[in-house]
Amino acid sequence: NAGVTQTPKFQVLKTGQSMTLQCAQDMNHEYMSWYRQDPGMGLRLIHYSVGAGITDQGEVPNGYNVSRSTTEDFPLRLLSAAPSQTSVYFCASSYTSSGHNEQFFGPGTRLTVL
Amino acid sequence: AQSVTQLDSQVPVFEEAPVELRCNYSSSVSVYLFWYVQYPNQGLQLLLKYLSGSTLVESINGFEAEFNKSQTSFHLRKPSVHISDTAEYFCAVIPPKAAGNKLTFGGGTRVLVKP
Repeated sequence: NAGVTQTPKFQVLKTGQSMTLQCAQDMNHEYMSWYRQDPGMGLRLIHYSVGAGITDQGEVPNGYNVSRSTTEDFPLRLLSAAPSQTSVYFCASSYTSSGHNEQFFGPGTRLTVL
Repeated sequence: AQSVTQLDSQVPVFEEAPVELRCNYSSSVSVYLFWYVQYPNQGLQLLLKYLSGSTLVESINGFEAEFNKSQTSFHLRKPSVHISDTAEYFCAVIPPKAAGNKLTFGGGTRVLVKP
């Protein structure tokens, strides 16, 4: 049981490039989400999904796209990278979207945009 | 909307000394409260949570937090810290009937345990 996995661990992009951050979970969790972590600001929700085929925006969605074609995978796409997107990105999942459920976090992807 | 304030961004503490991490929240509705811990170069892990019932909740590794509704606080304490407790700690809240499991996090408190 690998839990929540993320690839890559590190990435450097130039302004304007696009890329996809991968996230997968093997716990059959219904709910998945993406956060970004910036110093002093905690984690902020980018997008989330309550099940396959269903996604919605979080607090800071601009510049990011997501899709959820399977229960297991929830990739995050940066359409045209900007220096303001330099951050650490965490994918998380939970059994359902109910607020009492523990969220399980992946190890993170550290992204630098030059 | 909810907001969470962690009053200390960094807390240095000596090994075997007590530590308290402060968390205050603002919300117009009742909330569930969580503490997550992030060890160096890892993702976050749930430390403990308050959903209802007894206002004092404990974790398996000696941490405890007390929910104080009148002061809208959920401070985290440990009576004697170990080197292995060096980590960043995040307080988070969510209304029980929120659409989606959307946690609101505080800014984090970095704990550095010194020998």
